[in-house]
Amino acid sequence: AQTVTQSQPEMSVQEAETVTLSCTYDTSENNYYLFWYKQPPSRQMILVIRQEAYKQQNATENRFSVNFQKAAKSFSLKISDSQLGDTAMYFCAFMKPRQNTGNQFYFGTGTSLTVIP
Amino acid sequence: KAGVTQTPRYLIKTRGQQVTLSCSPISGHRSVSWYQQTPGQGLQFLFEYFSETQRNKGNFPGRFSGRQFSNSRSEMNVSTLELGDSALYLCASSGREGSYNEQFFGPGTRLTVL
Repeated sequence: AQTVTQSQPEMSVQEAETVTLSCTYDTSENNYYLFWYKQPPSRQMILVIRQEAYKQQNATENRFSVNFQKAAKSFSLKISDSQLGDTAMYFCAFMKPRQNTGNQFYFGTGTSLTVIP
Repeated sequence: KAGVTQTPRYLIKTRGQQVTLSCSPISGHRSVSWYQQTPGQGLQFLFEYFSETQRNKGNFPGRFSGRQFSNSRSEMNVSTLELGDSALYLCASSGREGSYNEQFFGPGTRLTVL
């Protein structure tokens, strides 16, 4: 089974600064997808960014970017120019696509990020 | 397009009771997954339904069950509630198979067992 580890239960960052959230995973698969989800306080979980394992280029979405190190099985999220609205729980997730038996997701335990004004 | 909806949003039950939670996926999505979220445990996968069939199941006791209807709406049932069942239960739907398959989450049902 796949495991996803987020070793930082809580983090804080000053507004406008940059912060990096860590994620490592364990798998023997070669084709898979990685995701970062954001869950703001009392709000719905939304996708922040995704990465296909076969792509060497790191994914970027505005202020959010990832550092994907396939050999090291590491998938960190960098948030630049942190904003108060970035305060949330962040979950790293792994997914192995399967055509007929469902794409099961595996989530880490989350990192609670607080942006300090 | 309307998002994933879950009802009820909040629920308070006592030990030994049973509860049914409902999830309506995004229109056109046939896959519905259920997760239990607790502090420190993250999201634990319960099960996934596709076209009214349970395709995958997590490591939860038989007190947790689910079903999916022909319109893809799904229900989750927990019988003989225990204090440890208190959690946020999330439902997620997804549309495409085989490729990257983003899951869209509902707001969750907060279950408190007293």
